[in-house]
Amino acid sequence: SYVLTQPPSVSVAPGQTARITCGGKNIGSKSVHWYQQKPGQAPVLVVYDDSDRPSGIPERFSGSNSGNTATLTITRVEAGDEADYYCQVWDNNSDHFYVFGTGTKVTVL
Amino acid sequence: QVQLQESGPGLVKPSQTLSLTCTVSGGSISSGSHFWTWIRQPAGKGLEWIGRIYTSGSTNYNPSLRSRVTISVDRSRNQFSLNLTSVTAADTGVYFCARDPPRGIDAFNIWGQGTMVTVSS
Repeated sequence: SYVLTQPPSVSVAPGQTARITCGGKNIGSKSVHWYQQKPGQAPVLVVYDDSDRPSGIPERFSGSNSGNTATLTITRVEAGDEADYYCQVWDNNSDHFYVFGTGTKVTVL
Repeated sequence: QVQLQESGPGLVKPSQTLSLTCTVSGGSISSGSHFWTWIRQPAGKGLEWIGRIYTSGSTNYNPSLRSRVTISVDRSRNQFSLNLTSVTAADTGVYFCARDPPRGIDAFNIWGQGTMVTVSS
């Protein structure tokens, strides 16, 4: 089955930029979605189809996808951005369908 | 605005069947073209897709769970359900129901709050 690899943790100071990577074989050919999950809460979709934002998601959240790496970028990081972030793709080459990344804990220093 | 709410026992004994229900409010489970999905998350771990049921009633399951999983829909109650048989401690975790956005985007933009299920004797 398709594997998505994320760094376990990313630390960033308030006001700076956080970049979270999601690695997968030829992931650039797939649509990548990103979720934010705070403790005790359900995930929230923050970016879909590589770089689109659902309504209500700040412009500080953006995404890109090329080659073997997709990236979620959070600019002007705030304390409230501290959370776990997961990437996700649809694996149309197997019957696993929806594949999630391993998750990245973003810590705001 | 569509909302989802999981319900079911919080404790299940090993070898028994885990049964959860997701109640849909703010819209009909039969309207539009959507996949109604179950996802789980073991404590302190990542997300795992369990399976989905389409508006038409067709289903797809994670191959690793396929032999134990059934997802069904009750249109009269505006609910869909998850049955997972022969559970073990490895099935302990938070179970979420979710739905995809319109226009065939293969993501999940509506989630229930999640329900914790512990498998223990």
